[in-house]
Amino acid sequence: DAGVTQSPTHLIKTRGQHVTLRCSPISGHKSVSWYQQVLGQGPQFIFQYYEKEERGRGNFPDRFSARQFPNYSSELNVNALLLGDSALYLCASSVITGTGATEAFFGQGTRLTVV
Amino acid sequence: SQKIEQNSEALNIQEGKTATLTCNYTNYSPAYLQWYRQDPGRGPVFLLLIRENEKEKRKERLKVTFDTTLKQSLFHITASQPADSATYLCAPQKTNQAGTALIFGKGTTLSVSS
Repeated sequence: DAGVTQSPTHLIKTRGQHVTLRCSPISGHKSVSWYQQVLGQGPQFIFQYYEKEERGRGNFPDRFSARQFPNYSSELNVNALLLGDSALYLCASSVITGTGATEAFFGQGTRLTVV
Repeated sequence: SQKIEQNSEALNIQEGKTATLTCNYTNYSPAYLQWYRQDPGRGPVFLLLIRENEKEKRKERLKVTFDTTLKQSLFHITASQPADSATYLCAPQKTNQAGTALIFGKGTTLSVSS
């Protein structure tokens, strides 16, 4: 089975531009989460989607938005890019269990560089 | 606000020794705690999950403890190998019926020398 796939793997954008990152979860996983990881830090939670609805949002500005499609794939959009948005963007999918405790499967990430 | 501290940014040990990594959390009470491994330029990979009512969990050479009184988890790798060199992330997790939204620590980078 394919794991979580993200595209593109690398991206260079100019300040003020907009970017769209894409994520395909593992088949059967209905929950997708997005994380930003700056060099030397742990991943920071941005969004969580489940059944096409936003279920959680981290402490990120409104320039960040996301959506989940009927096939459970997801997009992360960032508007008005800043130099500080340069990071590894990670997507994770998970399956829902009755207890709520479930491991997250991460993609390889999209390395975004803003110049 | 929720805070997670992992004992040190870097840990260097010799092959064959036991590595012990610490994760402390404050200002919340997680129902679960997860540990992940991350190699440079890659996404984190799940290792172990421990519930608040479990004191200890083992998987091969890995052992995790969870002390809700001390608000601390310890992660042990016994008989460490150079291939264990990576960054290890802890992620205390609240109950979340909609899936997994993890709050990660900064990570501890383990280097195992032969």
